Amino acid sequence: EIVMTQSPATLSVSPGERATLSCRASQSISSNLAWYQQKPGQAPRLLMYGASTRATDVPARFSGSGSGTEFTLTISSLQSEDFAVYFCQQYNKWPQWTFGQGTNVEIK
Amino acid sequence: EVQLVESGGGVVQPDTSRRLSCAASGFIFGNYAMHWVRQAPGKGLEYVAGITYNSGAADYAEFVKGRFAVSRDNARNSLYLDMNSLRDEDTALYYCAREVRNSNNVGRGFFDQWGLGTLVTVSS
Repeated sequence: EIVMTQSPATLSVSPGERATLSCRASQSISSNLAWYQQKPGQAPRLLMYGASTRATDVPARFSGSGSGTEFTLTISSLQSEDFAVYFCQQYNKWPQWTFGQGTNVEIK
Repeated sequence: EVQLVESGGGVVQPDTSRRLSCAASGFIFGNYAMHWVRQAPGKGLEYVAGITYNSGAADYAEFVKGRFAVSRDNARNSLYLDMNSLRDEDTALYYCAREVRNSNNVGRGFFDQWGLGTLVTVSS
């Protein structure tokens, strides 16, 4: 099983600041990585796929990078609606898809 | 508007069975691979099972193989998860999710639509 490790577990950021979230795979997954945003009581929302392609209607302040085993999601200037939990997911080989444990982005 | 609505959750005893359903609307259900993902209370997301658009293939996470079965009825726009031999650790919110596809209905591995989930609590 490919283990996805996200860091930090919690990120405290002030509105308007930059947030950088990391996701590491236990083995290479090429660019087969997606990011999701989840708010309390809501289903996850797809933000990014192919490590760096924004999903439909995702604002340009979200960007993704990385390949192989190291990936980053950056939110350039945090807005109030961005405070949420973010999960990464590798989809290298079905059905062994796995998610990271999540990063909680909270208001500082 | 795309909608996925899960149902069938509840409190169940260990070592019993339960069927979850997911009713889809707002898109051509038969064109998409569909999946189940779960989330234990206060925990992260965990992939459970999935099935191709035409039921040609279904597969499972190791921890549910032999216990869970995923199926679909394209005529009824519905996805199902039959869960047997339930364990305490199966307690979770179960989401139905639509896999993004390419023009040949081949799934791309990530999910663009999710339901709100149905909660299964395994407890004696």
